[in-house]
Amino acid sequence: GIQVEQSPPDLILQEGANSTLRCNFSDSVNNLQWFHQNPWGQLINLFYIPSGTKQNGRLSATTVATERYSLLYISSSQTTDSGVYFCAVDSGAGGFKTIFGAGTRLFVKA
Amino acid sequence: DSGVTQTPKHLITATGQRVTLRCSPRSGDLSVYWYQQSLDQGLQFLIQYYNGEERAKGNILERFSAQQFPDLHSELNLSSLELGDSALYFCASSGRANTGELFFGEGSRLTVL
Repeated sequence: GIQVEQSPPDLILQEGANSTLRCNFSDSVNNLQWFHQNPWGQLINLFYIPSGTKQNGRLSATTVATERYSLLYISSSQTTDSGVYFCAVDSGAGGFKTIFGAGTRLFVKA
Repeated sequence: DSGVTQTPKHLITATGQRVTLRCSPRSGDLSVYWYQQSLDQGLQFLIQYYNGEERAKGNILERFSAQQFPDLHSELNLSSLELGDSALYFCASSGRANTGELFFGEGSRLTVL
C-alpha cells in the first residue's frame, strides 16, 4: 500500500521562528490533507490540498502531486502551534481509505 | 466544532469486557471512518462505511466490529478487551462534496484496566 513519510519527526522552535514540514508519499493520491492535533488530542483540519498552494493566516501549504510531496509552512510560530502535525493521503484503492503519516511533533518555546 | 459527534468522550473498563462507541457524522455526510490512535502513535485506519455499507477495511481486529445505521450514525463495538486496546478512537465523516475530505470528532478515550 501507499507509504507516507513525514519529516522532521520532532521540531523545537523559539516563538516567532518559521518552519517547514514535509510529507512524502509513495504513490499517486486522490487527495491530501494536513491536520494539527493539539495537546488535548483534538484533530483540526488545516488544509485540504491535493495539488497547488493554499494559505490561511500564518500557515500555508503546497502540494506537488507529480513529485509526490507536500510542504506545510508555519510562519511566526506561536506557542499555540505546539502539537503534532499529520499529513494524510487517500490512495483511492477500494474507495476512500485515508492513510496518515507518523506526524511531526512541534514544540514552540515562549 | 467539526460537526462530528462522538460519545462517550471517556470510558474506563476492565479486560474481557465489551464497549460500544458511537459516532454521528456531519449533517449530509454519508461516509463514516473509524481510526485508532494508541499512546504516542499515529492514526491507524480501521474501517469505513458509506451510506450503510462497508466501503474499506484496514487493520481492524476480529474482536472489533462496526456498522452504520439508516440514520447514518455509526457504532464501533470492541469486545474481549485487552490492555493494548487502550487508545483514542476517532470517528470522521466526509461526503458532501465527494472529495474524501475528512472531518474528525473529538474522539473517545478508552482505558482498559
